[in-house]
Amino acid sequence: AQSVTQLDSQVPVFEEAPVELRCNYSSSVSVYLFWYVQYPNQGLQLLLKYLSGSTLVKGINGFEAEFNKSQTSFHLRKPSVHISDTAEYFCAVSGLGGSQGNLIFGKGTKLSVKP
Amino acid sequence: GAGVSQSPRYKVAKRGQDVALRCDPISGHVSLFWYQQALGQGPEFLTYFQNEAQLDKSGLPSDRFFAERPEGSVSTLKIQRTQQEDSAVYLCASSLEPRQYFGPGTRLLVL
Repeated sequence: AQSVTQLDSQVPVFEEAPVELRCNYSSSVSVYLFWYVQYPNQGLQLLLKYLSGSTLVKGINGFEAEFNKSQTSFHLRKPSVHISDTAEYFCAVSGLGGSQGNLIFGKGTKLSVKP
Repeated sequence: GAGVSQSPRYKVAKRGQDVALRCDPISGHVSLFWYQQALGQGPEFLTYFQNEAQLDKSGLPSDRFFAERPEGSVSTLKIQRTQQEDSAVYLCASSLEPRQYFGPGTRLLVL
């Protein structure tokens, strides 16, 4: 079984400051890792994904994440946030496709960017 | 091209009423997933289709929940005799593996 823990339920930050949203996972098998963003009353939008290869993954809107297998972490970072980054962010894992492809989500981190 | 669409976007039901939620996936996507997102929580897996075959329904919370995808495209999630605890956003995603594309969700409120 797989599980995802997002260590911070809320992260307030000032505009143009850096931010890190933390995610740890557990799994007995190989997994894919994802970060999704959800704006109010909207569906989930993929920010980035790790499938294999380079452990530093770059996504949309200036976000990046680093896969750390030894620490079972996949933290999301952005060097300088904007007001428009205010949203809820979900870390997720899945098995390697097919019937193992359903996503297991963390409980989410609400990022609030203040002017 | 068109993304995943869901209807209705909002549904208010009286307790005990049956509801049907529709998902139109991206054309050509073989895999389709349903998730339930309770208020303040992350989405939780309900069920998975590959074409018309329902390969995993382990996440359905009770036998009041039923999903189908008879022609391998549009899917319907049906909830019979709705209860207040069924109030949530129901998300559909279609997949070009491993990436899933999510619809906007149906917000169900059971009174």
